[in-house]
Amino acid sequence: EAEVAQSPRYKITEKSQAVAFWCDPISGHATLYWYRQILGQGPELLVQFQDESVVDDSQLPKDRFSAERLKGVDSTLKIQPAELGDSAMYLCASSSGAGVVQYFGPGTRLTVT
Amino acid sequence: EDQVTQSPEALRLQEGESSSLNCSYTVSGLRGLFWYRQDPGKGPEFLFTLYSAGEEKEKERLKATLTKKESFLHITAPKPEDSATYLCAVQAGDNNNDMRFGAGTRLTVKP
Repeated sequence: EAEVAQSPRYKITEKSQAVAFWCDPISGHATLYWYRQILGQGPELLVQFQDESVVDDSQLPKDRFSAERLKGVDSTLKIQPAELGDSAMYLCASSSGAGVVQYFGPGTRLTVT
Repeated sequence: EDQVTQSPEALRLQEGESSSLNCSYTVSGLRGLFWYRQDPGKGPEFLFTLYSAGEEKEKERLKATLTKKESFLHITAPKPEDSATYLCAVQAGDNNNDMRFGAGTRLTVKP
């Protein structure tokens, strides 16, 4: 069964350091999402790609966060510099199009010390 | 503003004790309501999609229903392996990108 892959699964970093997360969506899925989930809350959308284009990054803190999907397949989310408040689970999801079921990866648990 | 509220926040059941989880929503133009299951430290796992009031979906011990204001996830004769957080999410309006999640209900089923 096809799955969304993410790495690393866990990341511990110090405040002010740079950190990057990688996501490989289900093959053939044109739409890719990055979410942030704080413990005890639901996921919140950070950025959405359609192929290689960003279609929604309104909730992405652009002063420190960046995301790219250069060839319209896998994607990288970067934080620089990391802050204590960035500690959370970062989830990647993909779908065959906008407005349909999103399938999630296992997530990356980030701890900023 | 669109809102999704799940209740209760946490629910403890004995094995075999049936119950329901609630997801109430205030959105303009519902396009779809989604239920996910999330185990600790893992990503959400898709369960159901409901599109219109009156629609019902079933999977094993789970049954999801939808009205114009809320959705219920009914759990019949739960087992300890049903313990997880259940998330509800809605897509609404003309913006296909907008998927808003509730905070979830943390279900614990004791043997």
